Amino acid sequence: GAGVSQTPSNKVTEKGKYVELRCDPISGHTALYWYRQSLGQGPEFLIYFQGTGAADDSGLPNDRFFAVRPEGSVSTLKIQRTERGDSAVYLCASSPARDNEQFFGPGTRLTVL
Amino acid sequence: GQQLNQSPQSMFIQEGEDVSMNCTSSSIFNTWLWYKQDPGEGPVLLIALYKAGELTSNGRLTAQFGITRKDSFLNISASIPSDVGIYFCAGHPLNTNAGKSTFGDGTTLTVKP
Repeated sequence: GAGVSQTPSNKVTEKGKYVELRCDPISGHTALYWYRQSLGQGPEFLIYFQGTGAADDSGLPNDRFFAVRPEGSVSTLKIQRTERGDSAVYLCASSPARDNEQFFGPGTRLTVL
Repeated sequence: GQQLNQSPQSMFIQEGEDVSMNCTSSSIFNTWLWYKQDPGEGPVLLIALYKAGELTSNGRLTAQFGITRKDSFLNISASIPSDVGIYFCAGHPLNTNAGKSTFGDGTTLTVKP
């Protein structure tokens, strides 16, 4: 079956612009996670959803970052007033439930010029 | 926040050799996970460990959950060219949300034919 998909695969934007990154989890997975991966580092937790609600958003770096999952399936990570330091690969993962194996998507590479 | 120290940072080995890498933490973890990431893709779970002292194999891969609960190692036996990639340890620190994984910075493995 289909895995986790993320769109776009690459996004180039200018400093100060707004961006949205989309994640389509595996069908039926109730838990969804966002991570950020900088070059040469491991993924860094941002937020995770159980159903429609954000169960833990403690990894969001500041209030420019926001994520939603209005129907408990697709999720959108939104970044306002982008900064060059936001450049990274943004990974999404989903799992059948909170304690199950996380399946990762290929990521969206964000470049802020 | 929680930090995982993963070593070595990189390894260059000959095909057929065995590989060992490890991960340590200053705090107790109640789950240890080992992932492999290929270029342009998200991490894929290799082995999950849930109990101190647990030793688990997956084909040529073997991982152990350290007795102190502050470390884990991954061994790869008889390496082959497709083992090339970045290996990450990850885990869930004690008393944290199980949806929130902490990752090390990876071991980059190169296998020379």
